[in-house]
Amino acid sequence: AQTVTQSQPEMSVQEAETVTLSCTYDTSENNYYLFWYKQPPSRQMILVIRQEAYKQQNATENRFSVNFQKAAKSFSLKISDSQLGDTAMYFCALNPGTASKLTFGTGTRLQVTL
Amino acid sequence: DTEVTQTPKHLVMGMTNKKSLKCEQHMGHRAMYWYKQKAKKPPELMFVYSYEKLSINESVPSRFSPECPNSSLLNLHLHALQPEDSALYLCASSPGTALNTGELFFGEGSRLTVL
Repeated sequence: AQTVTQSQPEMSVQEAETVTLSCTYDTSENNYYLFWYKQPPSRQMILVIRQEAYKQQNATENRFSVNFQKAAKSFSLKISDSQLGDTAMYFCALNPGTASKLTFGTGTRLQVTL
Repeated sequence: DTEVTQTPKHLVMGMTNKKSLKCEQHMGHRAMYWYKQKAKKPPELMFVYSYEKLSINESVPSRFSPECPNSSLLNLHLHALQPEDSALYLCASSPGTALNTGELFFGEGSRLTVL
C-alpha cells in the first residue's frame, strides 16, 4: 500500500512571490511516478508536473519545479512568480507503476493574492 | 484530441431514479477510470477498466454499475442512490501500455446531487 501526505491544508502567497508546497509519501515500490495536479474552481484536474522516481534530476515546467528527495520520500512543489491563475487546490499524487492506482494526498488550497 | 469529455456536467436525481454518467476519450488510451470526489477532499478511486475489462473495483456498492462498451467510452450507471452519494464524479484515462508514464488525463467531472 502507498500513502501520500500533504501537511499544509491552506497556503497564501502574494502575486509574483515564490511558494513551496510540501508532500511526503511512502511506497514499497522501486519504480514509481510522482505528480502534482492542480484543480481550480472549474474542477478539472490538470497535471502540473511529473517526476519519475528513477530520475535523479528534479523536474521543471516553466515556473513550476520540484525538489525530489527519494531517500527522504519527499516531493515538494515550488511555484515561482506566482500568478492569480495559480489559485487552486493542489494535489500530490503517487502512481506505483505496477498497478493503475493513483493515490492522492489530501490537497493544499493555494490562494494567490494581489 | 487530448480531451476526456464527460456528460452531463450536472445531474440531479431522486433516490428511485436510474441515470447514467458518460465519459469519452479519443486519445487511444486503453485504461479508463471512475473517481468520486467529495467537497474539499481528494478523488477516491472507484473502478478501473483496462483494455475494456474491469480490472479494479474498490468495493463500490452495487448501486454503481460501470460499463465499458468500447475502448473510447466509459459509462457509470446509477440506480437507487443515497443522498451521501452526492459528489463530483471524475472520469480519467491513461495509455495503459508499456509507454504508460503513470499520468492520468481527467475530464471536468459530473456534479451529481441525489435528493
